[in-house]
Amino acid sequence: GEDVEQSLFLSVREGDSSVINCTYTDSSSTYLYWYKQEPGAGLQLLTYIFSNMDMKQDQRLTVLLNKKDKHLSLRIADTQTGDSAIYFCAPGGYQKVTFGTGTKLQVIP
Amino acid sequence: NAGVTQTPKFRVLKTGQSMTLLCAQDMNHEYMYWYRQDPGMGLRLIHYSVGEGTTAKGEVPDGYNVSRLKKQNFLLGLESAAPSQTSVYFCASSPKRGANYEQYFGPGTRLTVT
Repeated sequence: GEDVEQSLFLSVREGDSSVINCTYTDSSSTYLYWYKQEPGAGLQLLTYIFSNMDMKQDQRLTVLLNKKDKHLSLRIADTQTGDSAIYFCAPGGYQKVTFGTGTKLQVIP
Repeated sequence: NAGVTQTPKFRVLKTGQSMTLLCAQDMNHEYMYWYRQDPGMGLRLIHYSVGEGTTAKGEVPDGYNVSRLKKQNFLLGLESAAPSQTSVYFCASSPKRGANYEQYFGPGTRLTVT
């Protein structure tokens, strides 16, 4: 099956940029998603990128995709305390997606 | 429009007891999923369904059963609960849109088995 790896923890200062990285093994993913989970809540879709793109920008979010290296990253510009959450990388497969372990982002005021 | 709802929100079971978790969605989505979330392990797929009356095994199906008798409901059953099933359970649904399996999540059920 698909393996999706993320570092477990990232700490940044408010106002700095955050970069969350993800590597995956299944090269057939058509859509690759980023989800956000706030404490005590379910996951919410943050953004996604289609596999024939290498970059997608959405306000403060930038997604970079390197299909050759099977590497996906999420950059959050001007990180705010409200961005503190767990971020999941989730490459899509046939009829389902596979979630990474999640990266807990801590924003220091 | 409530989205995806889960019942109950919390539950404590003794080892060997049984229970059913209910997931309901009002978005007319074809696909529904049950996940468990454990610290440091992300979300792992238990079972899923691609339509009314169909179910399929995910990554960690042992000890669980599911049913999808109505399109809007997806039930997860534990026949004989074990402490290893202590976890947070999430249900999700997805519309059928080509290769896009964007998922909408419920708020979760926190289950403790003692």
